[in-house]
Amino acid sequence: DGGITQSPKYLFRKEGQNVTLSCEQNLNHDAMYWYRQDPGQGLRLIYYSQIVNDFQKGDIAEGYSVSREKKESFPLTVTSAQKNPTAFYLCASSPQENTEAFFGQGTRLTVV
Amino acid sequence: KNQVEQSPQSLIILEGKNCTLQCNYTVSPFSNLRWYKQDTGRGPVSLTIMTFSENTKSNGRYTATLDADTKQSSLHITASQLSDSASYICVAQAASGTYKYIFGTGTRLKVLA
Repeated sequence: DGGITQSPKYLFRKEGQNVTLSCEQNLNHDAMYWYRQDPGQGLRLIYYSQIVNDFQKGDIAEGYSVSREKKESFPLTVTSAQKNPTAFYLCASSPQENTEAFFGQGTRLTVV
Repeated sequence: KNQVEQSPQSLIILEGKNCTLQCNYTVSPFSNLRWYKQDTGRGPVSLTIMTFSENTKSNGRYTATLDADTKQSSLHITASQLSDSASYICVAQAASGTYKYIFGTGTRLKVLA
């Protein structure tokens, strides 16, 4: 089936650790995005990528890093520099920049 | 400042009833507006998308309207079902600049039997 897959669904991290969230799509989409969702707030853009080997910071990139070595993969690393990482993380892709975005099912990250 | 505001923040209705959710946006230059449905703990799923030249779009029991002059949109749900319980997110997109989806905070709808 075509789609966008995030893993794991739930992730627990100890303070001071880095963790990587996976996002894979087989839709042949060029653009991919990472958003963070917190209660009572709209989705906020962390990073986005328009093509392979290129990515741009979004509105809240501090404490996060990404890579785009393959078209279908856009992993997000939450580093120890992110002071409040507990949130719901959503990955999305779109055929081109600024066309309809398709979302994955999300990863809920909790710092313990 | 580009922003999207939704109301009400939450809504409870009985199964079978209709409801209307509101979205006001200030996004310039405006390209299009989308409504997404998000079940708890899941990713958003697109319901409708409208450009500035469209003023209504339907998807089954969901009907979205758009008034580009007043910068308002609404999502009307007809004959609600228990499965409509979710958050509904309004998203406006700018016509220029990169990556510019502006998300509202959503309306949380609860449909009761």
